[in-house]
Formats: sequence, structure tokens, C-alpha cells
Amino acid sequence: GQQVMQIPQYQHVQEGEDFTTYCNSSTTLSNIQWYKQRPGGHPVFLIQLVKSGEVKKQKRLTFQFGEAKKNSSLHITATQTTDVGTYFCAGPGAGSYQLTFGKGTKLSVIP
Amino acid sequence: GAVVSQHPSWVICKSGTSVKIECRSLDFQATTMFWYRQFPKQSLMLMATSNEGSKATYEQGVEKDKFLINHASLTLSTLTVTSAHPEDSSFYICSAEGGETQYFGPGTRLLVL
Repeated sequence: GQQVMQIPQYQHVQEGEDFTTYCNSSTTLSNIQWYKQRPGGHPVFLIQLVKSGEVKKQKRLTFQFGEAKKNSSLHITATQTTDVGTYFCAGPGAGSYQLTFGKGTKLSVIP
Repeated sequence: GAVVSQHPSWVICKSGTSVKIECRSLDFQATTMFWYRQFPKQSLMLMATSNEGSKATYEQGVEKDKFLINHASLTLSTLTVTSAHPEDSSFYICSAEGGETQYFGPGTRLLVL
């Protein structure tokens, strides 16, 4: 079945440094979604990318969807302590809408 | 690694029947589990937070009498869709809190005829 892998599993950065998490699917995705879970909270939807090669920005966050629609990345510029949390990617396989989640990347930001 | 299972993976039922979906954490204990619903081409929508040994906390707009949640043990939470109707057809996914991260189940696809 479809597998979605995320790396790294953990990332510790100094405040102000950049951060990137990568998501790779074993199958082509119809879209990719990103979620953020703050400590003690539940995953909250951030964004959805649909088109091949699509790039979207939300303030300091940049999301990319690969040309082959099998990988994606989330890049945070100049991290802040408010960026702390676990970032999940999820995507449905082509022809499906059921999401398969990556295991998440836990980001720690050292003040 | 931590695994969360859901059963059944898909179910087709007649309108008016009730459907129970199980969410199990297989190798860890989860005091908190979350239930989500996903419509086609949309993101997850949090329905409720299930806490072991206490009542679930429902999100605004989610009918608690319609979607019954029971978290009877540290490894099992159930979602019962009561008197299901075609508009309840959806993909239901749970996640379990293990340590400081969430582990997602594979989801249950419900089709109400």
C-alpha cells in the first residue's frame, strides 16, 4: 500500500536558523497536505498543494510540491519559538481521497 | 514503532443503522485520542477529543448524540455513528497521542446507502 515517509524525525535548531522537513510518498499523490501539532494540541491544517511543482508561502513558511507529485517539503525561514511542534504531511494516492500520514517531524527551537 | 489500527477499514451500511469504528493503539497506551472526519479533497476536520475514563470533548457543530465516543481503556477508543444517513458518508480517521507525538490510524471509509 501507499507509504508516506518524512525526514528528519527530530530537528533541533537555534532560534533564527532555518528548518526544512521532507515528505516522500511511494506513490503519486493527488495532493499533499501539511499539518502542525503544537505540544499538547491536535494537528491543525496548514495548507494543501495540488499542482505539480507548486510553491506556496505563508509568511516564513514555504511549501513545495515536487514535479512528480511524490514529494514535498516545508521550509521555515528564521525559526521562532512559536514554530515549535510536530509537522505532518499527508496525501491521498491518485484516484483516492483517503489520507496517508507521514510520521511527522518534531521541531524544537532553542531560544 | 508505534502503530494505531482502525477497524473496520471500510463499511457500507443502510441508512438508519449504527456503525461502530474502533481505534486501537497497538504497542503503547494513549490517554488521549482524536477523531477526525475528512470529506473528499478536503483536509481533516477535528470532531472530538477522546480522553480515557472521561467524556469526550466535541468540537463546535459536531453532534455528540450522533457521534458517540467511548474511550474505555488506554488502548481503545470507539466512535459510533448512530442512525447513519448518507450525509454521514465520509472517511473517519483517529490519532492517538503517544508521548509527545500523534500516531494516525489508517482510517475507516463509511458509505451509507
